[in-house]
Amino acid sequence: QKEVEQDPGPLSVPEGAIVSLNCTYSNSAFQYFMWYRQYSRKGPELLMYTYSSGNKEDGRFTAQVDKSSKYISLFIRDSQPSDSATYLCAMKLDSSYKLIFGSGTRLLVRP
Amino acid sequence: GAVVSQHPSRVICKSGTSVKIECRSLDFQATTMFWYRQFPKKSLMLMATSNEGSKATYEQGVEKDKFLINHASLTLSTLTVTSAHPEDSSFYICSARWGDLTGAFFGQGTRLTVV
Repeated sequence: QKEVEQDPGPLSVPEGAIVSLNCTYSNSAFQYFMWYRQYSRKGPELLMYTYSSGNKEDGRFTAQVDKSSKYISLFIRDSQPSDSATYLCAMKLDSSYKLIFGSGTRLLVRP
Repeated sequence: GAVVSQHPSRVICKSGTSVKIECRSLDFQATTMFWYRQFPKKSLMLMATSNEGSKATYEQGVEKDKFLINHASLTLSTLTVTSAHPEDSSFYICSARWGDLTGAFFGQGTRLTVV
């Protein structure tokens, strides 16, 4: 079993839709949770960063962490064609520098 | 904001040659940088952690003699792929630690193709 599981997609939605991206994980000790956006042939860009449980909102993006279910989500409101990219989740332990990444979900927002 | 610059973005080399990839933190000092490898449609796999002024720490299964890492200054880390083979073809990405935030900034990535 992988430490972090993420549906590869692709996920295709119409412009303006609400997008829900998810990851599950197996290590209950993870404390830091990140979401990255990666355009084709580019490095990842950090979108959201959450410590422990709860919600965090930044513009059109909302990150949720449910540690009891070992499940994290990223919601994108009013999705735009420019949001089309691969979204990677990542997480780490409190005591470690090492990030564990999901394999990414490819999102396509249709105009 | 803080930026990490990686160079080159793309390189093609002949089998048996060596290739050097540079990773620079442009407006902050990065005592720790990380090197990742990414296969198509796969997650980023940490190869090694580069610490300024000391030897790099390699992840299990990564050949340290093949992937040479040097972190000679607070703003520059280099990854040299030695005696490259076609199976080394991949997307290599660096990341710099900013304060306590690991993974805050990534380079643009280098696509290496060994022919």
